[in-house]
Amino acid sequence: GESVGLHLPTLSVQEGDNSIINCAYSNSASDYFIWYKQESGKGPQFIIDIRSNMDKRQGQRVTVLLNKTVKHLSLQIAATQPGDSAVYFCAEKGAGGGNKLTFGTGTQLKVEL
Amino acid sequence: NAGVTQTPKFRILKIGQSMTLQCAQDMNHNYMYWYRQDPGMGLKLIYYSVGAGITDKGEVPNGYNVSRSTTEDFPLRLELAAPSQTSVYFCASSLRDRGTDTQYFGPGTRLTVL
Repeated sequence: GESVGLHLPTLSVQEGDNSIINCAYSNSASDYFIWYKQESGKGPQFIIDIRSNMDKRQGQRVTVLLNKTVKHLSLQIAATQPGDSAVYFCAEKGAGGGNKLTFGTGTQLKVEL
Repeated sequence: NAGVTQTPKFRILKIGQSMTLQCAQDMNHNYMYWYRQDPGMGLKLIYYSVGAGITDKGEVPNGYNVSRSTTEDFPLRLELAAPSQTSVYFCASSLRDRGTDTQYFGPGTRLTVL
């Protein structure tokens, strides 16, 4: 079946460095993608989204890149801070109804001081 | 706005017991969802609703039931609890708007079935 997966389960970065979290998706019909951040003991929190008619979108310290040719999504975090430590999930929404999201397994981001 | 609220935060059940996980949202969102998250895993959709009176199965509906009598509330019912239902349960809601359907999540209910 269709799936969304992440390349790296754990990513360790130094405080102040840039972080890049990757995600591969297999459903070429997906038209909307979201990155979520989940801190320990909390629900997922929306970070940034991108529609399939775009290849880049920027927010505050975060950028999402979408490469539809290779079905790849990435989240870039600039000047990573200790508060960025969390699990990051990518999610995709197919073109069908019901607004159902398919979530990846997640990447643990650890920020070292 | 309180956003999405869930009760209880924690619960321990014995095998065969039943319970209802409560979820409410005050954002007037038409879509609501229930997910479960097992340790170290992503979220799996249990049930969802596109509006009051309308519900549909997600990826892992077996052992659960839902109802949506109002826009605000979307309770999840476990009739005969089993150890396999030990998980963290998240409720979410969204307002479909021109194809951007950001889902907002509650804080979760941690359920243990012994």
